[in-house]
Amino acid sequence: GAVVSQHPSRVICKSGTSVKIECRSLDFQATTMFWYRQFPKQSLMLMATSNEGSKATYEQGVEKDKFLINHASLTLSTLTVTSAHPEDSSFYICSATGASYNEQFFGPGTRLTVL
Amino acid sequence: GQQLNQSPQSMFIQEGEDVSMNCTSSSIFNTWLWYKQEPGEGPVLLIALYKAGELTSNGRLTAQFGITRKDSFLNISASIPSDVGIYFCAGHGTYKYIFGTGTRLKVLA
Repeated sequence: GAVVSQHPSRVICKSGTSVKIECRSLDFQATTMFWYRQFPKQSLMLMATSNEGSKATYEQGVEKDKFLINHASLTLSTLTVTSAHPEDSSFYICSATGASYNEQFFGPGTRLTVL
Repeated sequence: GQQLNQSPQSMFIQEGEDVSMNCTSSSIFNTWLWYKQEPGEGPVLLIALYKAGELTSNGRLTAQFGITRKDSFLNISASIPSDVGIYFCAGHGTYKYIFGTGTRLKVLA
């Protein structure tokens, strides 16, 4: 159990466009989902924490208007990178925890390339 | 963001050797998790620790939750080539997980 999926796995977009990334918990209800960003050869940096039905809590330095997070159901959270720029290119990974799990389970990640 | 100190940063070892890595923090954590990440993929949970002093094994992997609750180590016995990857520790604080800086492991056949 405890499978988290992410879609798309890779996306290439033009500068100025918006990109939506979906994160789904497939076999459990995710009360909390986390969004991370990872640069090459670096650790995971938490961007925001989202709880179902409430506004996301953003980490210091993360622009909430730039990275829109919606956690509309117990199995789905979305991250929208608005007006993407080349510096937004990165590996974005979501994770989820649930009432049944104290651990955090990760999705496979989304590689975003902004041209 | 806040990160845990993880060491070593990277290591090359011969196949069959044992490997040890650790994480330390200035803060107390209630849970320690160890993950492995391969290139282009999300981290995969290896071991979860919930109590100070707890020692848990998962196959060739053994991890311990430090008595002070400020550190944890992961051992891999008899390493094999597929152990290559980046290993991250993560400590759970008040409401979020803090990740270590990672240990990059390369196994020489």
